[in-house]
Amino acid sequence: DAGVTQSPTHLIKTRGQQVTLRCSPISGHKSVSWYQQVLGQGPQFIFQYYEKEERGRGNFPDRFSARQFPNYSSELNVNALLLGDSALYLCASSLGQGTDTQYFGPGTRLTVL
Amino acid sequence: AQSVTQLDSHVSVSEGTPVLLRCNYSSSYSPSLFWYVQHPNKGLQLLLKYTSAATLVKGINGFEAEFKKSETSFHLTKPSAHMSDAAEYFCVVSGGKSSGDKLTFGTGTRLAVRP
Repeated sequence: DAGVTQSPTHLIKTRGQQVTLRCSPISGHKSVSWYQQVLGQGPQFIFQYYEKEERGRGNFPDRFSARQFPNYSSELNVNALLLGDSALYLCASSLGQGTDTQYFGPGTRLTVL
Repeated sequence: AQSVTQLDSHVSVSEGTPVLLRCNYSSSYSPSLFWYVQHPNKGLQLLLKYTSAATLVKGINGFEAEFKKSETSFHLTKPSAHMSDAAEYFCVVSGGKSSGDKLTFGTGTRLAVRP
């Protein structure tokens, strides 16, 4: 069975640009969460979506937004990119809200120049 | 609010010797705790999870962890290290439904395995 998939694998942007990252959950999973992992640190929670509604938000500015589609895939958007947004962006899926086990995709490496 | 503290940023062991990665947690309720592993340039793989059933949890690749409420610890162990165990290990606590299932990660422990 396919795991969580993310696209693109790598991305290079310049300051001030906008970026969209995509995630497809494991088949049957209805919850998607996004995490940011800066080099040398543990992942930080950004958003959780369940049944197309935002169910949790981390301590990130409004430049970060996300949505979930009827097929449970998700997009993470970041506007007005800063150098500090350079990181590995991880998507995780789980069966549903309150179901703790989250399975992670390989991530999208974003570099902001 | 919940948090985890990984007590060692780097651990180095010889192949075939035991592994101990230490984690303490803080939570206002009975937590769900996890260990994830991250190999270089790869995503996160679930090693094991604790969800208030047995206090000794067995995971993949010979790893296990023991939940000790009195010590607020959830240390990860393996009897005999293999070269392929070299990676970054994260202790993680779940916020549960009230916090949107937010996972809070520790700062990570890098495990090196010497031949």
